[in-house]
Amino acid sequence: EVQLLESGGGLVQPGGSLSLSCAASGFTFSSYWMSWVRQAPGKGLEWVANMNQDGSDKYYVDSVKGRFTISRDNTKNSLYLQMTSLRDDDTAVYFCATVDGYALRYWGQGALVTVSS
Amino acid sequence: QTVVTQEPSFSVSPGGTVTLTCGLRSGSVSTRFFPSWYQQTPGQPPRTLIYSTNTRSSGVPDRFSGSIVGNKAALTITGAQADDESDYYCVLYMGSGLWVFGGGTKLTVL
Repeated sequence: EVQLLESGGGLVQPGGSLSLSCAASGFTFSSYWMSWVRQAPGKGLEWVANMNQDGSDKYYVDSVKGRFTISRDNTKNSLYLQMTSLRDDDTAVYFCATVDGYALRYWGQGALVTVSS
Repeated sequence: QTVVTQEPSFSVSPGGTVTLTCGLRSGSVSTRFFPSWYQQTPGQPPRTLIYSTNTRSSGVPDRFSGSIVGNKAALTITGAQADDESDYYCVLYMGSGLWVFGGGTKLTVL
């Protein structure tokens, strides 16, 4: 069974930093692209970032470029999202998801990030 | 800026058929955008329904189907059930590793 478990969410002040982790199990993590998707409270889904299998290709939505960094450790079956210069509008539940066939196939439960003073 | 459009809300009667659409503010949606569809209920992560336009994800009932209708991607629910009442999102692959979600459709079954 595919399982994705996000961790690292919490409350952070504007301008601060936070790092999210996503622990994967039940599939060959190193064979899949991975994504982060977020959802602000009461709002829709927003794709945030993608990374290919070996980390050589990374893509970001414009609003997080230069502030967020996606990374992975295939030896630990883990995906990461390092977030800096956080703003109020980064407040959201952040989901990690597997990418397969140009679709987000499996999703974690999400981690809440709240940016507030 | 690419804008993916979805109906904000839709209503269907139990047992009825409903088609939700996913378009582009500028341009047409085709299979080359690999449209996929997701169902989400409050407090839960999204569930993948359809990918690559019309391929059902494992475990998804065949009353959910995907297609291209005119210049939009479409999700059709045939024989709607009460537990189909959810938010539905489409996402389009824009190329160069970039994806864009639609704003979502809130489906009411009544």
